[in-house]
Amino acid sequence: DAKTTQPTSMDCAEGRAANLPCNHSTISGNEYVYWYRQIHSQGPQYIIHGLKNNETNEMASLIITEDRKSSTLILPHATLRDTAVYYCIVREFGNEKLTFGTGTRLTIIP
Amino acid sequence: GAVVSQHPSWVICKSGTSVKIECRSLDFQATTMFWYRQFPKQSLMLMATSNEGSKATYEQGVEKDKFLINHASLTLSTLTVTSAHPEDSSFYICSARDGLGYTFGSGTRLTVV
Repeated sequence: DAKTTQPTSMDCAEGRAANLPCNHSTISGNEYVYWYRQIHSQGPQYIIHGLKNNETNEMASLIITEDRKSSTLILPHATLRDTAVYYCIVREFGNEKLTFGTGTRLTIIP
Repeated sequence: GAVVSQHPSWVICKSGTSVKIECRSLDFQATTMFWYRQFPKQSLMLMATSNEGSKATYEQGVEKDKFLINHASLTLSTLTVTSAHPEDSSFYICSARDGLGYTFGSGTRLTVV
């Protein structure tokens, strides 16, 4: 089971911030939240991950709610190259597997 | 950053033949690698976990005799699709553990004719 719920699709204007929500209401204390994206016909690309604190790297920011039941991936200045399917994944610490859900198809509009 | 190389990127084979796909970790050692399959417009489905020096662990519903996995070294795992049929046509993707994260290969598009 994927353990996460994401909107099927979203649009965002080029240059604006893209905010992608993810619901993981059954998350437990030792489960990490990972975000990957997949551009058409390529392997998934790592974006960011976190446990309970907000995280930021050169690609994106990850905001995790205090109760950890949901999170938001923020792409601060979306470009056309950010058009992809974005996957939010919950992984239990000690469990090696990454189980993908259906993801959100993000389309950046010029 | 960590790089996983997957080869070939695409292959066309005749029905009944076998196809081998390689997955290499280029700049790190990977005791564990994973194999996924992705059909058009669908998400990635985990097929099996490949463990260096031991047998792979297959997900429910995946035929281990059809999808042979070998992980003979810390940098190489191979997936062999045996007696391929048109329904095996898919996008196969490998990944490897890299610290707390996972690095994915670029995928192999298999077409069985």
